[in-house]
Amino acid sequence: EAGVVQSPRYKIIEKKQPVAFWCNPISGHNTLYWYRQNLGQGPELLIRYENEEAVDDSQLPKDRFSAERLKGVDSTLKIQPAELGDSAVYLCASSLGDSSYNEQFFGPGTRLTVL
Amino acid sequence: AQRVTQPEKLLSVFKGAPVELKCNYSYSGSPELFWYVQYSRQRLQLLLRHISRESIKGFTADLNKGETSFHLKKPFAQEEDSAMYYCALSGYNFNKFYFGSGTKLNVKP
Repeated sequence: EAGVVQSPRYKIIEKKQPVAFWCNPISGHNTLYWYRQNLGQGPELLIRYENEEAVDDSQLPKDRFSAERLKGVDSTLKIQPAELGDSAVYLCASSLGDSSYNEQFFGPGTRLTVL
Repeated sequence: AQRVTQPEKLLSVFKGAPVELKCNYSYSGSPELFWYVQYSRQRLQLLLRHISRESIKGFTADLNKGETSFHLKKPFAQEEDSAMYYCALSGYNFNKFYFGSGTKLNVKP
């Protein structure tokens, strides 16, 4: 099994441009997470989905970030417009359930560079 | 506020030496603590969780509520243990995860 799939793996854009990241979770996992990991830091949760519902988006900068998970499977995270400070690795993870007892499985991440 | 502190950015030990990666947390409720590991060119993955009281790859971690710590230990380090280690905090009925900033373990031959 491929595990959590993310694309693209790398993205370089100029500031003020839009960018989108895609995530395909492990089959059957109804909980999906988006994290941002800045250089030298641990992952920081941006948004958590239970099926298609965003149940925690308190850390998502809503002025420029948006996310969707229309059919409760794949998810897209968008930034528009991107700023220099958005350069980071964006991680997607999935788990079977919403309890912290459920192990999160991480994707390889998308490394974003904003010039 | 919930916080996870990993005071060491880098820890270097020789093969066969004991290793301890420190993790301290701040949380007002009943904490759930985890250690995640990321080997070179691999994904972040769960190493162990305190509730399981398990030993994985020779690593153990004990939750000390008095000292609010969850240090990761291994009596004899191996070169293949070289990786980034992240301590993470959650809580019962609390679905946020807070990660520490990570400690890079370098095991020298």
